[in-house]
Amino acid sequence: DIVMTQSPASLAVSLGERATINCKSSQSGLYTSSNKNAVAWYQQKSGQPPKVLIYWASNRESGVPDRFSGSGSGTDFTLTISSLQAEDVAVYYCQQYYRTPYTFGQGTKLEIK
Amino acid sequence: QVQLQESGPGLVKPSETLSLTCTVSGGSIDNNYWTWIRQPPGKRLEWIGYIYNGGTTRYNPSLKGRVTISLDTSKRQFSLRLNFVTAADTAVYYCARERGGDGGYDLLHWGQGTLVTVSS
Repeated sequence: DIVMTQSPASLAVSLGERATINCKSSQSGLYTSSNKNAVAWYQQKSGQPPKVLIYWASNRESGVPDRFSGSGSGTDFTLTISSLQAEDVAVYYCQQYYRTPYTFGQGTKLEIK
Repeated sequence: QVQLQESGPGLVKPSETLSLTCTVSGGSIDNNYWTWIRQPPGKRLEWIGYIYNGGTTRYNPSLKGRVTISLDTSKRQFSLRLNFVTAADTAVYYCARERGGDGGYDLLHWGQGTLVTVSS
């Protein structure tokens, strides 16, 4: 299985500041035949299902605020929130959908400092 | 607008079979990858498997052959059966649909999830 490892496990950031979450894949080159990285980022608020924020490593889902961005390639991927808002408190997960079984990171809990 | 809703027993006895159904409203039931995901308490999300067009299935090998996913297009439902459950199968179970219809996409649509507890 492809193992996705996130860091940090938890993060406290002041309102308006930048938050950065990292995800490392155990396999390099999660490229599809169309040369896209098959990595997504999800936000899960308490008691809710996950919601996709970023797909193909850097494509923002429609309706997601532009303070959320994704980057990375190879084995290292990053989710950045440029200016943290109170409503961003959640657990964030990365996922690879390059090869089954699709796998998720262990999650990063984001809180307000 | 695609909506998914899980249903089924919230309590299952050890060694018995967990059965859940996901009802789909909106969108096409055909040509989509219908997926089950679970989340044990305090743990990461785990991909269980998917079904495509009633004939193609793929399961997580970690479930050791205990899982079956089926599709009933006439009812707009797909189902999960997990045999010989133990306490380790206690989790919130989600049904979901991939973004694209030809496989290998992120999970764009999710149900609200249902907690299944395995206990005698």
